[in-house]
This record gives sequence, C-alpha cells and structure tokens, in this order.
Amino acid sequence: EDQVTQSPEALRLQEGESSSLNCSYTVSGLRGLFWYRQDPGKGPEFLFTLYSAGEEKEKERLKATLTKKESFLHITAPKPEDSATYLCAVGTQGGSEKLVFGKGTKLTVNP
Amino acid sequence: GAGVSQSPSNKVTEKGKDVELRCDPISGHTALYWYRQSLGQGLEFLIYFQGNSAPDKSGLPSDRFSAERTGGSVSTLTIQRTQQEDSAVYLCASSRQLRNTEAFFGQGTRLTVV
Repeated sequence: EDQVTQSPEALRLQEGESSSLNCSYTVSGLRGLFWYRQDPGKGPEFLFTLYSAGEEKEKERLKATLTKKESFLHITAPKPEDSATYLCAVGTQGGSEKLVFGKGTKLTVNP
Repeated sequence: GAGVSQSPSNKVTEKGKDVELRCDPISGHTALYWYRQSLGQGLEFLIYFQGNSAPDKSGLPSDRFSAERTGGSVSTLTIQRTQQEDSAVYLCASSRQLRNTEAFFGQGTRLTVV
C-alpha cells in the first residue's frame, strides 16, 4: 500500500531560523512527489513537483529535494508569513491520477 | 471565475439527510478531483474526472457517495443518508489536463452532520 509519512507533525521556529521538513514515502512506482502549502480555512496551494531522485526545486525561501525514499522541504531564514501547514503527496504509476497525501507539518514562525 | 469555486462553503445537516456539494472548476480545465480532509487526517482521494468520465472512483467510501460532472465543467458530489462520520472538509481541485501537476484547489465545503 502506498504511504506518505511527514515529520515533524508540528514545528516552531524563530524568524530567520532555518530548518527542514521531512516526507518519507513508500510507493510501488513513483510518478511524482508534490509539495503543497495550506493556510487555515483554505485549500492547498501548489508549490513543487519532483520526479526523480536528485532533483531539486526552489521558490523564494523554500527548496525541495528528493531521494529514492524521502523528500525534504528546506526553509531558509523563514518569515512569519511562511507559517502554514505543508503537505506532501505522491502520485503513483499505474494509471490513476489520485494523489496520496501525508498528514502535513504545521509550521509556525515567530517574529 | 479566476479560481475553483465550491458551494456551499459551510453545510450543517441532520443525520440521514442527503446533501449536494458543488464544484466549479477553472474554465478550460479538463481534469477535476474530489478529496476529503478530516480533522487530524491527510487529504483522502475520493474520485477524479477526465471530461465527464470518472476513470477512478475507488476512493468513494460507500455507495452513499456519488459524483457526476456535466458539460466537462461543473461537478456535484452527493452524499445520501448522511452519517456523522461524513463530517469533513470536501475539497475540489482542477487542472488543465491529466498529468498536469499544478492542480488548483477550491476553499472547500465544510460539512457537519449533527
């Protein structure tokens, strides 16, 4: 069964304190790994897609990396506006377009 | 509209009643997805549409749940004889085509069954 596990469940940082969020996955065949950001009361907002081990993508203070078993979302010098829940999901080979999501990491950045 | 629109934003219903949740995708998006988000749980896949066809309905929890899409646009998720465990946020997303990874989500419908 395809599974996605995110850690930690919650993370508190001071503004400017860099850190990383982890997403571990087990799938029969990886079609892609996706990162989303979700603010309270809103739908998820797409951040990145990674397709193969070694791939990296960046957007502002965020950088996503991928290995064969996990992905990291690195946050450099975070600001309070980066506070949100970050969701990781995998798409699997085999025809279905469904994504399997982790439970997310709730990030709080204090000023 | 500019984004995916879902209605109603909130729905409180009595156990045993039927409910309909509506999703208006972004114009021109051929793929449409329904997910459910329960408190403390990750997003759970329900069903997706390519045009008006639903190739994968495997996530629908029971036969009380059904969905349709008409005109390659609006989709309706219907829950019959609602139960308390159906309480959740129901999220709809659309993308320009399948395998287009940038799926845009609506704000969701918060369903509470009392």
